[in-house]
Amino acid sequence: DQQVKQNSPSLSVQEGRISILNCDYTNSMFDYFLWYKKYPAEGPTFLISISSIKDKNEDGRFTVFLNKSAKHLSLHIVPSQPGDSAVYFCAASDRNQFYFGTGTSLTVIP
Amino acid sequence: DTGVSQNPRHKITKRGQNVTFRCDPISEHNRLYWYRQTLGQGPEFLTYFQNEAQLEKSRLLSDRFSAERPKGSFSTLEIQRTEQGDSAMYLCASSLELPNEKLFFGSGTQLSVL
Repeated sequence: DQQVKQNSPSLSVQEGRISILNCDYTNSMFDYFLWYKKYPAEGPTFLISISSIKDKNEDGRFTVFLNKSAKHLSLHIVPSQPGDSAVYFCAASDRNQFYFGTGTSLTVIP
Repeated sequence: DTGVSQNPRHKITKRGQNVTFRCDPISEHNRLYWYRQTLGQGPEFLTYFQNEAQLEKSRLLSDRFSAERPKGSFSTLEIQRTEQGDSAMYLCASSLELPNEKLFFGSGTQLSVL
């Protein structure tokens, strides 16, 4: 049973435009959410996180939005750069485990 | 801080053989996690340790899989009598004790069972 879902397997955007990656979850006990970026043959690297007490967290070009009532979070990247091309995983924590989505492959076209 | 280290990076084995992977977490991290990832999927939880205690194991972890973390430092994951379905990337991650602490991942061990 997939508790964290990323329904878009892939996304292509033009360089300089906004990339929006979406994630939905089902477990209301999740209280901490993270985004990871992964290149082929490497482990995921942490990008940005948000606690359930917030609805927005920003770090440079990356912003994560959390809508608890909809059990939805999104990652905004603006402006998108070719180096952002990677697979992005959404993750959620219930203080014991981290649960990951299936990933969205982002391609930023120069 | 050298990050999370995993060895080997790649392992090719024949079906029925045993394999062992090693993970060295970030030194001050007391939590250590093992995940498995296959193509097109996200990391799938296998087990985690807090210090030397194994606190949780996934239902997906069959009896052929065993993990240890002696002395609460490095960890090993052993797969006995490997099957072709075991072929995957095995990821180790560590963190400080939750809440709100992020996972730091190693580069993974890519296992291919022929």
